Amino acid sequence: AQSVTQPDIHITVSEGASLELRCNYSYGATPYLFWYVQSPGQGLQLLLKYFSGDTLVQGIKGFEAEFKRSQSSFNLRKPSVHWSDAAEYFCAVGDGNKLVFGAGTILRVKS
Amino acid sequence: DAGITQSPRHKVTETGTPVTLRCHQTENHRYMYWYRQDPGHGLRLIHYSYGVKDTDKGEVSDGYSVSRSKTEDFLLTLESATSSQTSVYFCAISEASGGASDTQYFGPGTRLTVL
Repeated sequence: AQSVTQPDIHITVSEGASLELRCNYSYGATPYLFWYVQSPGQGLQLLLKYFSGDTLVQGIKGFEAEFKRSQSSFNLRKPSVHWSDAAEYFCAVGDGNKLVFGAGTILRVKS
Repeated sequence: DAGITQSPRHKVTETGTPVTLRCHQTENHRYMYWYRQDPGHGLRLIHYSYGVKDTDKGEVSDGYSVSRSKTEDFLLTLESATSSQTSVYFCAISEASGGASDTQYFGPGTRLTVL
């Protein structure tokens, strides 16, 4: 079965610092990978997605992610975090008719 | 934002009572999904629909049923609610083939508490 692992349950960064959220997947074929963000009390918003081609994917809100097949990873990055980035972040892999989600990483931003 | 609404947004009910959650879309998308979100588990698929009257089970379907009589509405029913079904429920839609590459768009969620 396909699976997604987000090793960090919580991460705290200072405002203005860089951010990297880790995501590892288990998938037999070429994966379709997604990052979603969930602000408190809200639904999930798509940040970016990877299907094929360029392994560095640009998304909304200044986020990017890099697909590394050799490491089965799809880490999310942002060069300078803003207080409004505090949220929960989910990595997911497309598996047939569904998305398989990781458990999520809660990002806290300290001023 | 995708036109997805969920009702109710919050509900408290008692064990053993039936509960129906509604998802309504204005995008005319073919595929609709119900997920539940629990701490430490991310989101898990309950059921999905690939057309009117066409539905299938996800990984956590026990205790849930669904119906889709119109393209725009997808109902999730808990026939007899249990405390283990306390969760946040999300509806999602996708426009394409329902395949692994489809982007899913999510509604605002329904917080259900079963006492």
